Amino acid sequence: RKEVEQDPGPFNVPEGATVAFNCTYSNSASQSFFWYRQDCRKEPKLLMSVYSSGNEDGRFTAQLNRASQYISLLIRDSKLSDSATYLCVVNRDSNYQLIWGAGTKLIIKP
Amino acid sequence: ETGVTQTPRHLVMGMTNKKSLKCEQHLGHNAMYWYKQSAKKPLELMFVYSLEERVENNSVPSRFSPECPNSSHLFLHLHTLQPEDSALYLCASSQVLGRHEQYFGPGTRLTVT
Repeated sequence: RKEVEQDPGPFNVPEGATVAFNCTYSNSASQSFFWYRQDCRKEPKLLMSVYSSGNEDGRFTAQLNRASQYISLLIRDSKLSDSATYLCVVNRDSNYQLIWGAGTKLIIKP
Repeated sequence: ETGVTQTPRHLVMGMTNKKSLKCEQHLGHNAMYWYKQSAKKPLELMFVYSLEERVENNSVPSRFSPECPNSSHLFLHLHTLQPEDSALYLCASSQVLGRHEQYFGPGTRLTVT
């Protein structure tokens, strides 16, 4: 089993719709969780950290489910500019290493 | 944004060449990282430096040789590479070594012929 698993997609979503995707992780001792976005042929950029209580940043909401070992990202009122690959990132228990998922590709269509 | 810069942005080299990738961070961070990103694969951590000391070498072939002369600069020296080494090489930094967000440079797209 991969340490971090994501549905590669692509998710094709009409503009204005709500889209959500999950990411599962295998190490129950992981404590830090992040969502990054990566545009085509660009570097990853931090989108948001994921806190135990869940957190929201504008149209984006991130949730953590420790019992089932997954994190989720919800995007409301999707924009064309949201088209990107979304990378799920988890730390390896107390280690400083971040483990990266392969990403979920999102395509927002007009 | 100019927090983390990388040069060159693109590099084509033959298998017998020697080249170096450069990374510089202007964020005052203490930790720096080299990653390899191949098509449709997760980022692979190659090397980690904290306060100029290497703390991680993830079984990377010796044809890749990192150097960290100070906390702001990181190099990746390349020699006798293989075509399968063609990838996007990303440099990142974080405030401290640990569970902190990482900030990436634009990457060097390397093609080995």
